[in-house]
Amino acid sequence: EVQLVESGGGFVQPGRSLRLSCAASGFTFDDYAMHWVRQAPGKGLEWVSGISWNSGSIGYADSVKGRFTISRDNANNSLYLQMNSLRVEDTALYYCAKDISGGMATTGLDYWGQGSLVTVSS
Amino acid sequence: SYELTQPPSVSVSLGQTASITCSGDKLGDKYACWYQQRPGQSPVVVIYQDTKRPSGIPERFSGSNSGNTATLTISGTQAMDEADYYCQVWDSSTAVFGGGTNLTVL
Repeated sequence: EVQLVESGGGFVQPGRSLRLSCAASGFTFDDYAMHWVRQAPGKGLEWVSGISWNSGSIGYADSVKGRFTISRDNANNSLYLQMNSLRVEDTALYYCAKDISGGMATTGLDYWGQGSLVTVSS
Repeated sequence: SYELTQPPSVSVSLGQTASITCSGDKLGDKYACWYQQRPGQSPVVVIYQDTKRPSGIPERFSGSNSGNTATLTISGTQAMDEADYYCQVWDSSTAVFGGGTNLTVL
């Protein structure tokens, strides 16, 4: 059974940093691209970042470029999102999602975690 | 940046066919997928690569994509299909989601 478990969310002041983690199990992690998708309270889905199976291709939404860094550790089946210079508008539930394929150009995300809530407020 | 437009809401009678559209410039040249999100739950992919249905997704879900419009069709809509639905494509090295459509089953 595929499982994606996010952790690391919490309450943080604007300008501070947080690191999200996603522990994956139930599939061959290094065969697939992975993504972070967020959802602000009561709003729609927003893609944040993606990384190919071998970290060779990485992409970011314009809204987080230069502030967030995605990475993965295939030896430990883990995905990460380092979030710096956090803003109030980054407040959201952050989902870790598995791609259907190994490349970053996703044609579908077939498994999602339950999400990790990040609240940015003074 | 690329934009996808969905109607905010669609209503359908129980057992009838629901169609949810997603519009974007030359959308038919890209692969579209669709996600269902029930209240308080994580999204679930119901259609990927325009027309493919993942295992476990009922046959009543189908997709099409041509021109500037992708369509998710739910035949014989059931009460459990009441949810938010999002379309998504890949464009210029980013994933783009539509704004979402709330499907109400009457």
